[in-house]
Order: sequence, then C-alpha cells, then structure tokens
Amino acid sequence: EDQVTQSPEALRLQEGESSSLNCSYTVSGLRGLFWYRQDPGKGPEFLFTLYSAGEEKEKERLKATLTKKESFLHITAPKPEDSPTYLCAVGSNFGNEKLTFGTGTRLTIIP
Amino acid sequence: GAGVSQSPSNKVTEKGKDVELRCDPISGHTALYWYRQRLGQGLEFLIYFQGNSAPDKSGLPSDRFSAERTGESVSTLTIQRTQQEDSAVYLCASSFIAEAETQYFGPGTRLLVL
Repeated sequence: EDQVTQSPEALRLQEGESSSLNCSYTVSGLRGLFWYRQDPGKGPEFLFTLYSAGEEKEKERLKATLTKKESFLHITAPKPEDSPTYLCAVGSNFGNEKLTFGTGTRLTIIP
Repeated sequence: GAGVSQSPSNKVTEKGKDVELRCDPISGHTALYWYRQRLGQGLEFLIYFQGNSAPDKSGLPSDRFSAERTGESVSTLTIQRTQQEDSAVYLCASSFIAEAETQYFGPGTRLLVL
C-alpha cells in the first residue's frame, strides 16, 4: 500500500527564515510526486510534479527536490503569504490513477 | 479558462438525509476524481472517472456512497442516509487524461451532518 508521511506537522518561521519540509514515501512504482499548497477553506493548488530521483524544480521562493525515498520542499526567505498548508502526494504506476496524500505541513510565517 | 467548480460550497444536513454534491471539471478534462478531507487528515481517494465510466470505485467507504458522471462533464457524488462521520470537505479534481500527472482541484464542498 502506498504511504506518504510529512514532517513536521506544523512549522513556525520568522519572515525571511529559510527552512525545509520533508515528505517520505513508499510507493509501488513512482509515477510522480506532487506538491500542492492549500490555503484555509480552499482546495489544493498545484505547485510541482517530480518524476525521478535527482530532479529539482523551482518556483519563486520554493524549490522541490526528490530522492528515491523522500522529497524536500525548500522555502527561501519566506513571506507571510507563504503560510498555507503544504501537501505532498504520490501517484503509482500500477493501474491506479489516484493520488495518495500525506497529512500536510502547516506553515506559519511570522512578520 | 475557468477552473474546477463545486456546489454547494457548504451543506448542513440532518443525520439520515441524502445529499448530492456537484462537480464541474475544467473544460476538456476527461478524468475526474473525488476525494474526502476530514479535519486534520490527508485527502482520501473516493472514486475516479475516465470519461463517463468509473474504473476504480475502491475508495468509496460504503454502499451509501455513489457517484455518476454524464456527458464527460458534470459529476454528482451522492451520500444516502448521511451519518455524522460523513462530515468532511469533499474535493473534486480533474485532469486532461487519467494518466496525466496533474490533478487540478476545486474549492470543495464542506458537509456537516448534525
């Protein structure tokens, strides 16, 4: 069974204080690893897809990296608007189109 | 173009009543997915459609849950005889094809069963 574990559950940072969020996964044939952000009361908003170990993607203050067992979302010099919950999910190659999600990391950026 | 839309945005119902939740996917997206998000938990897969057929219904939690899709567009998730444990946010997503990597989510329907 595919599993995704995200850590920490919650993180408080000062504005401008960089950090990393962790997503550990087990999956039967990785089709892709997905990062989403979710603001309170809204649906998840797509950020990145990573397909293979060693791959990296960047968007503004966010950078996602992937190894064979985990992914990191690096947040550089965050601003208060970077304070949603970050969700990690994996898709499997084996005949099932669903995504398996972690429970997320709630990020709070303090001005 | 417009994103995924869902209605109603909020629904309060009494235990034992039936509810219908609606999802309008992004135009041209052939794959549609339903997930459930309980408070403090990760998104839980319910069902997906490729076109109007549902190859994978494995996530439906009980026979009180059903879903249909017509015209390769709108989908309805129906919960019969609602229970308090059905209270959650129900999220719909769509993608261009089922094998596509990116699922785009709607804003969700917040269901509260009293």
